[in-house]
Amino acid sequence: QKEVEQDPGPLSVPEGAIVSLNCTYSNSAFQYFMWYRQYSRKGPELLMYTYSSGNKEDGRFTAQVDKSSKYISLFIRDSQPSDSATYLCAMSLGGSGNTGKLIFGQGTTLQVKP
Amino acid sequence: DTAVSQTPKYLVTQMGNDKSIKCEQNLGHDTMYWYKQDSKKFLKIMFSYNNKELIINETVPNRFSPKSPDKAHLNLHINSLELGDSAVYFCASRKGGSPLHFGNGTRLTVT
Repeated sequence: QKEVEQDPGPLSVPEGAIVSLNCTYSNSAFQYFMWYRQYSRKGPELLMYTYSSGNKEDGRFTAQVDKSSKYISLFIRDSQPSDSATYLCAMSLGGSGNTGKLIFGQGTTLQVKP
Repeated sequence: DTAVSQTPKYLVTQMGNDKSIKCEQNLGHDTMYWYKQDSKKFLKIMFSYNNKELIINETVPNRFSPKSPDKAHLNLHINSLELGDSAVYFCASRKGGSPLHFGNGTRLTVT
């Protein structure tokens, strides 16, 4: 079993839809949770960064972390064709374990159709 | 431009050859990383250097040897390339405990 599970999709939605992306994980020691967006032939770009449980909002993006269920989500409101990309969840340990060793999900490919 | 930059962007080579990938960051970060992304887009850490000192060395064949001449540079040398080494190699960096910034990758194809 992988430490982080993410549905690879592909996920196709019409423009304006609300998109929900999810990851589950098995290691309860994870403390930092990230969402990266990766366009084709580009590097991962940080979208959201949260510590421990809770919600974080940035524009059209909302990240949720539920440590009790070992489940994280990314919501995209009013999705745009420019949101079409692969979305990668990533997590890392806290404290002295926060070395920058990120454990990634497999990534979900999202296509937003005009 | 402030960035993590890698060269070359594309590298096509034959089995058995030796090749190097270079990474430079001008963000003032103190830790640099190499990650490997396979054909299924799965990203996995390989190495990390903090201020020229190796701090993470995952289970990677010893044909892969990282070198950090200074805080702003991290290179990856690969000996005796194999077909299975074909992947996209990403350099990343960060300052302290902040999130990682990734470069745009080097796409390595071994034929």
